[in-house]
Amino acid sequence: DTEVTQTPKHLVMGMTNKKSLKCEQHMGHRAMYWYKQKAKKPPELMFVYSYEKLSINESVPSRFSPECPNSSLLNLHLHALQPEDSALYLCASSEGYSNTGELFFGEGSRLTVL
Amino acid sequence: QKEVEQDPGPLSVPEGAIVSLNCTYSNSAFQYFMWYRQYSRKGPELLMYTYSSGNKEDGRFTAQVDKSSKYISLFIRDSQPSDSATYLCAMRASGSARQLTFGSGTQLTVLP
Repeated sequence: DTEVTQTPKHLVMGMTNKKSLKCEQHMGHRAMYWYKQKAKKPPELMFVYSYEKLSINESVPSRFSPECPNSSLLNLHLHALQPEDSALYLCASSEGYSNTGELFFGEGSRLTVL
Repeated sequence: QKEVEQDPGPLSVPEGAIVSLNCTYSNSAFQYFMWYRQYSRKGPELLMYTYSSGNKEDGRFTAQVDKSSKYISLFIRDSQPSDSATYLCAMRASGSARQLTFGSGTQLTVLP
């Protein structure tokens, strides 16, 4: 079963709020990713975790803070966001960071920042 | 010039038509090619995954890769209204999923 589960599906927050996005996969994948997608644009890579360690941070502002508690879970902590951060946030996973496996996406968390 | 070029459409076809979606790319190091289908307000769903040149078929979907021309295609036979979505091509060189480069996506509508 190829499934990446994201919660919540929708989130509305103010600029002073603190919230978290959660992602879970049970495919035994060792690499997990956060992407950001704006309307009518392709996904943009934010972070990559490989074997629970942060491998890539694509110069993402510190108001986004990723966390990987274990190999199945990935969180994205949000604080002091701006309205332009409103987007679809996608979690993805693959067998490994450097191998040739496919990348599987979750359904996304749609974030609106007021 | 973008590394991956994809006609954004929109593309409208009647039900039952054969649909051809295409991407061109400039980086000759790309070896792994993917097609994703994305319904409105949903995450991308992996449809096809191919390595190097050649064809791959899965039901009504056929993916073609021509590395000599740096051109990939996705064909949908007997298209259905449920195929209406945005189709994203994605590709990368070996070694790192970081280098996954997406096309801009083609919006497809299949009319009943």
